[in-house]
Amino acid sequence: EAGVAQSPRYKIIEKRQSVAFWCNPISGHATLYWYQQILGQGPKLLIQFQNNGVVDDSQLPKDRFSAERLKGVDSTLKIQPAKLEDSAVYLCASSLDPTPRAFFGQGTRLTVV
Amino acid sequence: DQQVKQNSPSLSVQEGRISILNCDYTNSMFDYFLWYKKYPAEGPTFLISISSIKDKNEDGRFTVFLNKSAKHLSLHIVPSQPGDSAVYFCAAGESGTYKYIFGTGTRLKVLA
Repeated sequence: EAGVAQSPRYKIIEKRQSVAFWCNPISGHATLYWYQQILGQGPKLLIQFQNNGVVDDSQLPKDRFSAERLKGVDSTLKIQPAKLEDSAVYLCASSLDPTPRAFFGQGTRLTVV
Repeated sequence: DQQVKQNSPSLSVQEGRISILNCDYTNSMFDYFLWYKKYPAEGPTFLISISSIKDKNEDGRFTVFLNKSAKHLSLHIVPSQPGDSAVYFCAAGESGTYKYIFGTGTRLKVLA
C-alpha cells in the first residue's frame, strides 16, 4: 500500500516570497490533515478536510495561508507571503474514517530566510 | 495553553529494560489517546491507542495506561530495544472529531 506522498521534501525561500506544498493521501482516505511542526514542538493542526470540504481550519493563519483539496484527493497548502516564523516541517496526513489513526507523509521542511 | 504535555524532553534507557514515557492532558472532554513514534526525516507513525472506556491497552512490547482521574497516560515499552530510539508523541482528542492535539514529544534513546 502506497503511503502519503508529499513534495517537495525541502524548500528554502526568502521572507515575503510564496511557496506551495503538495500532498497525495492514501487512496480511499476521506480525511486529510495539514500540520505544522516547529522545531522542538509537536505537530499543530492547520486544517482538516473531509473529502473536499473543510472540517476545521481554526488554526490556519488565513491572512497568509490557504489550502485546497480539489476532487477530494490531492491537496495543496500555500503560504503567501512567507514570514521567518513559518520555518517548520509541514506534515500531511490522511485517515480512513471512522478510525482516528492518521498516516503521515515524510513532510516538507521549509526554511524562510 | 498547552492541552497536552510531555514534561520529559528526553529519556535514556538501557537495552532490555523498561521505558516509561508520560503524558498529561488538561481537557476533560478528551476521550481518545494515541501514541506516535517519529524517526529523523520521517513522518510520525502510529504506535498504539486507547479510548477512555479502557485503562490499559497492550500490543506486543507496547502498553498504554490511562488514568482518567489524573488526566495522565503513559507508554511502557518492555523490553526496550535500540530500534525503539525515536521521538514519541502522545496525542489526545475527542473521538468523532478526528482532531487531535499533540504533545511536544519525548526523545527516547535506548543504549545497547
